[in-house]
Amino acid sequence: DAGVIQSPRHEVTEMGQEVTLRCKPISGHDYLFWYRQTMMRGLELLIYFNNNVPIDDSGMPEDRFSAKMPNASFSTLKIQPSEPRDSAVYFCASSAGLADTEAFFGQGTRLTVV
Amino acid sequence: KNEVEQSPQNLTAQEGEFITINCSYSVGISALHWLQQHPGGGIVSLFMLSSGKKKHGRLIATINIQEKHSSLHITASHPRDSAVYICAARNAGGTSYGKLTFGQGTILTVHP
Repeated sequence: DAGVIQSPRHEVTEMGQEVTLRCKPISGHDYLFWYRQTMMRGLELLIYFNNNVPIDDSGMPEDRFSAKMPNASFSTLKIQPSEPRDSAVYFCASSAGLADTEAFFGQGTRLTVV
Repeated sequence: KNEVEQSPQNLTAQEGEFITINCSYSVGISALHWLQQHPGGGIVSLFMLSSGKKKHGRLIATINIQEKHSSLHITASHPRDSAVYICAARNAGGTSYGKLTFGQGTILTVHP
């Protein structure tokens, strides 16, 4: 397996534009996580899915953020409209379970909103 | 107070030195993860442990469940070990079950 694949690796967009980040988890993993990393706050969980169903979205900062997982091999994180404070690195991770299983991270998407 | 605290925040060493990074947590956990992040790169899982000690090459991770403390050791450090090391606690119960709570990371720089 190629691991967790995220796209794009880098995204620069203007304030107010819609941004869509994509993630392909490792095949067979039932859990998918979206994290955001900033200098100020470190890594934060935004939302996670189990078997394509959103389980906990309490970390999603605002209604401008939405995430979907239409099938087991694909998830999106959308920001509409984007703002400069959304600039961060967004990581997707997947795992086979929740308790004592490893989490595998994608390479991240570095988002810059100007 | 953060639920997961790492120390030190920054660490500079000379090649060959023995390095220790500490992690203390206040939540009940099912596992403790050590992650490595290189500049501009993704995050790689180094260890996942729930008790005792694990070793992989020059890296050793230990955990003391009673004291809620874990350490990551690097023996014979090398400049390529320069990275950010992140401790993450996987919550064991309640509404946060299964979630990873991250430390702020330790920036390690190893000079030749």
